[in-house]
Amino acid sequence: DGGITQSPKYLFRKEGQNVTLSCEQNLNHDAMYWYRQDPGQGLRLIYYSQIVNDFQKGDIAEGYSVSREKKESFPLTVTSAQKNPTAFYLCASSIETGPRHFGDGTRLSIL
Amino acid sequence: AQSVTQLDSHVSVSEGTPVLLRCNYSSSYSPSLFWYVQHPNKGLQLLLKYTSAATLVKGINGFEAEFKKSETSFHLTKPSAHMSDAAEYFCVVSEGYNFNKFYFGSGTKLNVKP
Repeated sequence: DGGITQSPKYLFRKEGQNVTLSCEQNLNHDAMYWYRQDPGQGLRLIYYSQIVNDFQKGDIAEGYSVSREKKESFPLTVTSAQKNPTAFYLCASSIETGPRHFGDGTRLSIL
Repeated sequence: AQSVTQLDSHVSVSEGTPVLLRCNYSSSYSPSLFWYVQHPNKGLQLLLKYTSAATLVKGINGFEAEFKKSETSFHLTKPSAHMSDAAEYFCVVSEGYNFNKFYFGSGTKLNVKP
């Protein structure tokens, strides 16, 4: 079955460390997205990519970086510049505008 | 500017009774509106979407929503709640065909009592 795979499911970051969250899709979708979810809040857009080798900042891109070297993959790096990284991170993809299919998320915590 | 207000952070119903989750939006354009459901520690699943066709939209799992422009509302309903409906629901408004212009409400947690 086609879908989106996020890994790892849980991730712990030490002070000053960069960590990378993986997102892979086999849906052949052009567009991919990264969202951050905090308790009691809706999703906020970090980065999105409409096509390979192109990506755009969302509303809360500071302290994050992405790459889109392959259509199937859209990894997110949480850098040490992100001072409050504890959250649930969701990757999504779509063949049309807006997120359509979501992965099951990665929960990032600080050690 | 676009925004979404989900009027209830928590809703509790008994199994077999109707569900009503309320959503109001503001939009400068003709909006597209969506409802998503999220089960604990899972991603979001699209329930239904409105994109300027019929104002009454039917979705999966027996849910439906009605777009009311005069009231700027897009409430989600289901005639009879099932235990498996217990989850968090998000109302979303989008602006035209912009990939980054999807605005999520803060969510409504639905509890279903046996």
